[in-house]
Amino acid sequence: GAGVSQSPSNKVTEKGKDVELRCDPISGHTALYWYRQSLGQGLEFLIYFQGNSAPDKSGLPSDRFSAERTGGSVSTLTIQRTQQEDSAVYLCASSSGPTRSSYEQYFGPGTRLTVT
Amino acid sequence: AQSVAQPEDQVNVAEGNPLTVKCTYSVSGNPYLFWYVQYPNRGLQFLLKYITGDNLVKGSYGFEAEFNKSQTSFHLKKPSALVSDSALYFCAVSFTGGGNKLTFGTGTQLKVEL
Repeated sequence: GAGVSQSPSNKVTEKGKDVELRCDPISGHTALYWYRQSLGQGLEFLIYFQGNSAPDKSGLPSDRFSAERTGGSVSTLTIQRTQQEDSAVYLCASSSGPTRSSYEQYFGPGTRLTVT
Repeated sequence: AQSVAQPEDQVNVAEGNPLTVKCTYSVSGNPYLFWYVQYPNRGLQFLLKYITGDNLVKGSYGFEAEFNKSQTSFHLKKPSALVSDSALYFCAVSFTGGGNKLTFGTGTQLKVEL
């Protein structure tokens, strides 16, 4: 079946502009995650949505980052006033099941963001 | 806080030889341990996980991993490496009561040569 999809695959933006990254999770998966992969910081957790519960935003690096999940499915990660240090690959993942951390996460191909 | 260490940035092995990619972890509760593989310009692919039970878990593509609680390790192994196994491997941990977020190691580049 279809996996996690992300768009765009690549995004180049100028410093100070806002960007939106989209994630379509696997159908039926109730949990959705955003991570960031960069050379300097490795793989970092950003935010986690589970059903209708309040999201876990503990990994967001600054208030310029926000995310929403509409209708329990598609999610959008928004970065306002982008900075060069925001350049990274942004990965989305989803998993099935209730709030149990034992469920494996399935990752999308990522969006490569370059801030010039 | 939870953490994962992958002490080797790169592992080189000849095709047909056994391979081991090392991982140690630190958590405050019962650990859930995962291995993921990343091919160039691709997302992460799930290989296997340890939740509970048998310490030796088997996963995709002939990979297996052994959970060792006393040594807090979860090393990835394969009896006979293939050139196509060359990729970046990540160990990750979550734990009960710690939320569902994964904490990843820094990754180990595996290179399998003919």
